[in-house]
Amino acid sequence: ETGVTQTPRHLVMGMTNKKSLKCEQHLGHNAMYWYKQSAKKPLELMFVYSLEERVENNSVPSRFSPECPNSSHLFLHLHTLQPEDSALYLCASSLGQTSGNTIYFGEGSWLTVV
Amino acid sequence: TQLLEQSPQFLSIQEGENLTVYCNSSSVFSSLQWYRQEPGEGPVLLVTVVTGGEVKKLKRLTFQFGDARKDSSLHITAAQPGDTGLYLCAGGNYGQNFVFGPGTRLSVLP
Repeated sequence: ETGVTQTPRHLVMGMTNKKSLKCEQHLGHNAMYWYKQSAKKPLELMFVYSLEERVENNSVPSRFSPECPNSSHLFLHLHTLQPEDSALYLCASSLGQTSGNTIYFGEGSWLTVV
Repeated sequence: TQLLEQSPQFLSIQEGENLTVYCNSSSVFSSLQWYRQEPGEGPVLLVTVVTGGEVKKLKRLTFQFGDARKDSSLHITAAQPGDTGLYLCAGGNYGQNFVFGPGTRLSVLP
């Protein structure tokens, strides 16, 4: 238990569906992240939020839409995904946004797009 | 763009053997972290090193940060099946997000 909880743990969706991934952190951190982990690539940083404000968006397709309603919650809204978007999506948090802070990961949400 | 390479990509050994995995970059990092990710779980931080030449020990795991802060190694003594997992290194510089390597996938057979 790292203090970062992700739901659902597994999700199968069709290319025309709309679904959301949810992340909640219980650590009092100010920064939250979405990472994508697939078999053939290193961990890819998708979005960074610091104090509920998006500070980084690493050229992620618009079919992925993040939302950070408060410092404890982070969502990733998914729509019209492609099969190549199938991957493990990891949420993480840290005390601050820069690399001087330890990143704590959730257990991930396994996404399969059919 | 800062990149981290890890070697070997895959490693399968017998219980009780020793091993070393490497994390290399052409860039200098102010800190470097090692994570272990077990199947079906998220990465868990093992150690952070910040000083060139620094050596840290965590039970049977020994971590070293290169003198030039461009590389790091992780040595495991007497590996156990519980050490099985994906070992990730991540390099950071002040004001920037961490960069992750592709990982070394370790399998320790009983």
